[in-house]
Amino acid sequence: EDQVTQSPEALRLQEGESSSLNCSYTVSGLRGLFWYRQDPGKGPEFLFTLYSAGEEKEKERLKATLTKKESFLHITAPKPEDSATYLCAVQATGTTDSWGKLQFGAGTQVVVTP
Amino acid sequence: DTEVTQTPKHLVMGMTNKKSLKCEQHMGHRAMYWYKQKAKKPPELMFVYSYEKLSINESVPSRFSPECPNSSLLNLHLHALQPEDSALYLCASSQDGRQGSEQYFGPGTRLTVT
Repeated sequence: EDQVTQSPEALRLQEGESSSLNCSYTVSGLRGLFWYRQDPGKGPEFLFTLYSAGEEKEKERLKATLTKKESFLHITAPKPEDSATYLCAVQATGTTDSWGKLQFGAGTQVVVTP
Repeated sequence: DTEVTQTPKHLVMGMTNKKSLKCEQHMGHRAMYWYKQKAKKPPELMFVYSYEKLSINESVPSRFSPECPNSSLLNLHLHALQPEDSALYLCASSQDGRQGSEQYFGPGTRLTVT
């Protein structure tokens, strides 16, 4: 069965204190791994798509990397506005009846204090 | 423009009411999704429409009835809901459901069932 596990559940950082979030996954075949950011009461905001091991994507203070078993979201010199819940999701090759389905992890809640 | 819009933003309804949630996208996407999200949990997939046809129904109770009038619009008709159906309802769209295409989410409708 496909599984996505995110760690830690919560992370409290000082402004400027870099850290990494982990997303480990078990799927029969990976079609894509997605990172989203979600602010309270709002819809998830798309950040990155990763397709194959070794791939990296960057956007401002965020960098996502992918291996065959896990993905990391690195936050470099975070600011208070980076506070949010970060969600990882995978889309497996699966069968036709799972077409389009995302398997989400539980998320990591990040709080950045000034 | 990667915008998905949803109306209304908030909805309070009694258990005997009938109401509808609406979602619209103008990105030319051919797959649209309804998700339900409870507090502190990741989004849960409810329905997937692909090329205006229902392709996935995640065993959702019949009191939720989706409709896709055209490629840009997605509705969710609600009838005889229960208090446990109170949640944030999210609409999303993607280019299609294949090839690992990312999903873009709307801001959500906060539904309260009294």
